[in-house]
Amino acid sequence: DTGVSQDPRHKITKRGQNVTFRCDPISEHNRLYWYRQTLGQGPEFLTYFQNEAQLEKSRLLSDRFSAERPKGSFSTLEIQRTEQGDSAMYLCASSLPRTLNREKLFFGSGTQLSVL
Amino acid sequence: AQTVTQSQPEMSVQEAETVTLSCTYDTSESDYYLFWYKQPPSRQMILVIRQEAYKQQNATENRFSVNFQKAAKSFSLKISDSQLGDAAMYFCAYRRSGGSNYKLTFGKGTLLTVNP
Repeated sequence: DTGVSQDPRHKITKRGQNVTFRCDPISEHNRLYWYRQTLGQGPEFLTYFQNEAQLEKSRLLSDRFSAERPKGSFSTLEIQRTEQGDSAMYLCASSLPRTLNREKLFFGSGTQLSVL
Repeated sequence: AQTVTQSQPEMSVQEAETVTLSCTYDTSESDYYLFWYKQPPSRQMILVIRQEAYKQQNATENRFSVNFQKAAKSFSLKISDSQLGDAAMYFCAYRRSGGSNYKLTFGKGTLLTVNP
């Protein structure tokens, strides 16, 4: 078990381009979260999946953002028509079902996005 | 909406000494969870300690302990016998009880420096 894996670690893109990030949670973790962390701030919740179902989306997730978890395993986060304000670190986390391990989230090392 | 406030952007401590990081929060809920996470330069968020609001006893994990004051909505972290490896960004986080979403609300963080 290698923990939560995120790819790429860094992404530099030009304004207006589309970008996609991938998160591989710990196997058997059915819950998956995306957070965004800007400089000098704590992580902010973006969206949550239980298996393949996206159960909650933050108002921070504009129409340009879309997240998927097609088979209940890995997840992708796509940002279309990137803006400079999208520059941030995007963190993924996963957890076991509530009955097995209360409250503990395992985080990946994040994808640092820079929009020029 | 719940908010988490960390009033100390930066703190420093001498190796082997004790340091306390402050956190206050605002919520109308009576049952919830509080956490301290550590984010080293590797960027991966690591759970340090967790406190259930219904428990009066303060949580401890080896050199880490908390002072949970529910009425004052205060949740400070004490690190004893500080080590160089404790240097990191520390985030206080809140989660409401119940439901299936382990969505966390984070503070802005406190950067801890450990001086040899």
